[in-house]
Amino acid sequence: DVKVTQSSRYLVKRTGEKVFLECVQDMDHENMFWYRQDPGLGLRLIYFSYDVKMKEKGDIPEGYSVSREKKERFSLILESASTNQTSMYLCASSFSGRFPDTQYFGPGTRLTVL
Amino acid sequence: DQQVKQNSPSLSVQEGRISILNCDYTNSMFDYFLWYKKYPAEGPTFLISISSIKDKNEDGRFTVFLNKSAKHLSLHIVPSQPGDSAVYFCAASDTGGTSYGKLTFGQGTILTVHP
Repeated sequence: DVKVTQSSRYLVKRTGEKVFLECVQDMDHENMFWYRQDPGLGLRLIYFSYDVKMKEKGDIPEGYSVSREKKERFSLILESASTNQTSMYLCASSFSGRFPDTQYFGPGTRLTVL
Repeated sequence: DQQVKQNSPSLSVQEGRISILNCDYTNSMFDYFLWYKKYPAEGPTFLISISSIKDKNEDGRFTVFLNKSAKHLSLHIVPSQPGDSAVYFCAASDTGGTSYGKLTFGQGTILTVHP
């Protein structure tokens, strides 16, 4: 079974803090993704990575950065948290070049920025 | 610019009846489509998919229909069960070139199946 784990289920931070969200997958997947889920907006892609140390911007990268030093781990960084980054954050992974493009998701981290 | 749209935020259905969830897309490069189901406090899980070379794919109670000319797909659940109550996301992929498995998701539809 594919397993994608996220470091925290719930997180409360203050405005201006630096926030790290971590994601680990155990299936040797090449691709990893970070999304945020907001009511009425669905899942929006923040960043993705197709290999170690490789990253690409998604649709809403502003205010975020990522790090992928090891294949199994993909971190999302909020450099200076703001209240509009309060959201559910979901990590996903998939095989590269594998058809279909099925992504496997972690349980999510609900982040509240006060 | 929302390239994948689910225009119905919610749908309520009686147990045993058919549930039909709809999805429209604008990007003609999309050639692979997926449906994911999400329960509260859990990540989305893959449900069913369809390639653009087909117009129908069936898996048990779940059937996905694709109308390429209308850029429209739908998910049919027959018969609906209370355990199907969840948020359903439509997603699309352009598998050509270097997409790296990137998906574009719709806004989601909350399905409630009443006993």
